[in-house]
Amino acid sequence: EVQLVQSGAEVKKPGESLKISCKGSGYTFSNYWIGWVRQMPGKGLEWMGVIYPRDSDTRYSPSFQGQVTISADKSISTAYLQWSSLKASDTGIYYCARRTAAFEYWGQGTLVTVSS
Amino acid sequence: QSVLTQPPSVSGAPGQRVTISCTGGSSNIGAGYDVHWYQVLPGTAPKLLISGNNNRPSGVPDRFSGSKSGTSASLAISGLQAEDEADYYCQSYDKNLRGVFGGGTKVTVL
Repeated sequence: EVQLVQSGAEVKKPGESLKISCKGSGYTFSNYWIGWVRQMPGKGLEWMGVIYPRDSDTRYSPSFQGQVTISADKSISTAYLQWSSLKASDTGIYYCARRTAAFEYWGQGTLVTVSS
Repeated sequence: QSVLTQPPSVSGAPGQRVTISCTGGSSNIGAGYDVHWYQVLPGTAPKLLISGNNNRPSGVPDRFSGSKSGTSASLAISGLQAEDEADYYCQSYDKNLRGVFGGGTKVTVL
């Protein structure tokens, strides 16, 4: 059974750094793109970017380029999303998802709250 | 402002048929990229409903169907049920294979 399990909720202050994770199981992690999707409070889904764990090829949405870093460690079947300096506007739920053409399998989401 | 445009809300009585439109442009849907649809129930992660314009993953009821023409796509829900009350999002790709979502449509069952 394909599963994506994300790290737990985080509460951070503006300016702090953060790295959240997404661990895949039940399939060959290296062979599928993993994407990240943001949902801000009361808002819609936003496509952030994707990574191909086999060679770490990464594509970012222009809106998120330079704002976050997507990475993966295929040896432990885990993808990451990280911020170097959080802003209050980064508050939201972040989902990882496995992509073939569409995002067919999703993680449970990680709630990130950034507040002073 | 989303690259793909959806109506904010649609509603229908149980048993009725509702459709949700997704309008893009020549750089995304019109360029031939497929459209996918997701259902988001309150408090849950998104679920893939339709992939590749009109393909239902295993387990998705055949009440849900998708279509695509030109720069637009549509999701139809026939035989509307109370459990279909959710937010629905279309998704495609833009140049350089960056993904884009629609703004989402809230379906209300009257």
